Amino acid sequence: SQKIEQNSEALNIQEGKTATLTCNYTNYSPAYLQWYRQDPGRGPVFLLLIRENEKEKRKERLKVTFDTTLKQSLFHITASQPADSATYLCALEAQAGTALIFGKGTTLSVSS
Amino acid sequence: NAGVTQTPKFRVLKTGQSMTLLCAQDMNHEYMYWYRQDPGMGLRLIHYSVGEGTTAKGEVPDGYNVSRLKKQNFLLGLESAAPSQTSVYFCASSLAELFEETQYFGPGTRLLVL
Repeated sequence: SQKIEQNSEALNIQEGKTATLTCNYTNYSPAYLQWYRQDPGRGPVFLLLIRENEKEKRKERLKVTFDTTLKQSLFHITASQPADSATYLCALEAQAGTALIFGKGTTLSVSS
Repeated sequence: NAGVTQTPKFRVLKTGQSMTLLCAQDMNHEYMYWYRQDPGMGLRLIHYSVGEGTTAKGEVPDGYNVSRLKKQNFLLGLESAAPSQTSVYFCASSLAELFEETQYFGPGTRLLVL
């Protein structure tokens, strides 16, 4: 069955640096991958979707890459700010045309 | 637009009791989902619905039932609550008839089963 691994449970960086979060998957190669942000006590909020034919996607200070050979997506936050502190989840389809499965998330802490 | 709302926000149950969690969305979305989130386990799909009157099982459906009698509502029922069902429950919805569409999540319901 499809498995998702987000490289670390927690990532601590200093303000102004670039945060890089990793999402690896095994087995089935998804046609797309999504990233969500979750703040404590709240539901996840959608950030970006990237498709298998897109190598990179950007939105303001966010950048997502999708390497189908490595079965990996990288999520970057440039010029990070304390307000970026949250848990970031990746999500993808377990099989073609099926509902999303979510990774366990990486909790990012940005210190000033 | 209220988006996705969940009722109640918090509930304490005793083992064996039953309850229904209500999810409502005002965005005319076709797909709706129920997830549970536990520490170290991430979000896991319980049941989902691809339209009014239809439901399907997700990853962890045992011990739960669902109904989608109206397009805007998705109910999650626990017939006989167990301590293992202590969790935070999230409802989500998405617009079109594709799983790749953005999911909009509710604020969650914290359930404690004693």
